[in-house]
Amino acid sequence: GAVVSQHPSRVICKSGTSVKIECRSLDFQATTMFWYRQFPKQSLMLMATSNEGSKATYEQGVEKDKFLINHASLTLSTLTVTSAHPEDSSFYICSASRDTNYEQYFGPGTRLTVT
Amino acid sequence: AQTVTQSQPEMSVQEAETVTLSCTYDTSESNYYLFWYKQPPSRQMILVIRQEAYKQQNATENRFSVNFQKAAKSFSLKISDSQLGDTAMYFCAFMKHGDAGNMLTFGGGTRLMVKP
Repeated sequence: GAVVSQHPSRVICKSGTSVKIECRSLDFQATTMFWYRQFPKQSLMLMATSNEGSKATYEQGVEKDKFLINHASLTLSTLTVTSAHPEDSSFYICSASRDTNYEQYFGPGTRLTVT
Repeated sequence: AQTVTQSQPEMSVQEAETVTLSCTYDTSESNYYLFWYKQPPSRQMILVIRQEAYKQQNATENRFSVNFQKAAKSFSLKISDSQLGDTAMYFCAFMKHGDAGNMLTFGGGTRLMVKP
């Protein structure tokens, strides 16, 4: 149990376009989902925390208008990178947690390349 | 705010040997959780072991064990009988108990190479 999927696993988009990444909890209801960004050979950096049905809480320095997060249901959160630029190229990881315990379950990540 | 420090950017160990990865943290909280995560080349984050701060007994999961020193704010990971599949990035992480949303604070990571 506690499987989290992400789609797509890899995406290439052109500069100026928007791209959406989905994060789904497959076998549990996720009250909270998290979005991380990871640069090569670096640690995970928390971008935002989202709770179902409410606005996401963004970490300092993360542009909320650029990284739109929607947590429309207890099993789905989406991250939309708007007007993408090459510097947005990175590995994006989501995780999900449920009220019953304190663990975060991680998705397999999405590699975004902006050309 | 909490901080997590991993002072060893890279380590290597011979297959079947034992290796210890260091982690220190800084917090004013008294009740919290600590984790070690493994990130292999596939980049899927895998939970290796967790420790509740209120438990004095060190957590153990098969070949993986921790040395939790609460007063020293130290949480090292020992891998016994290292295997080639243990080659990965290892991240130490902190979570405040009862924190809204169960937010994790990660250390910078240690890249472990297991050599045949």
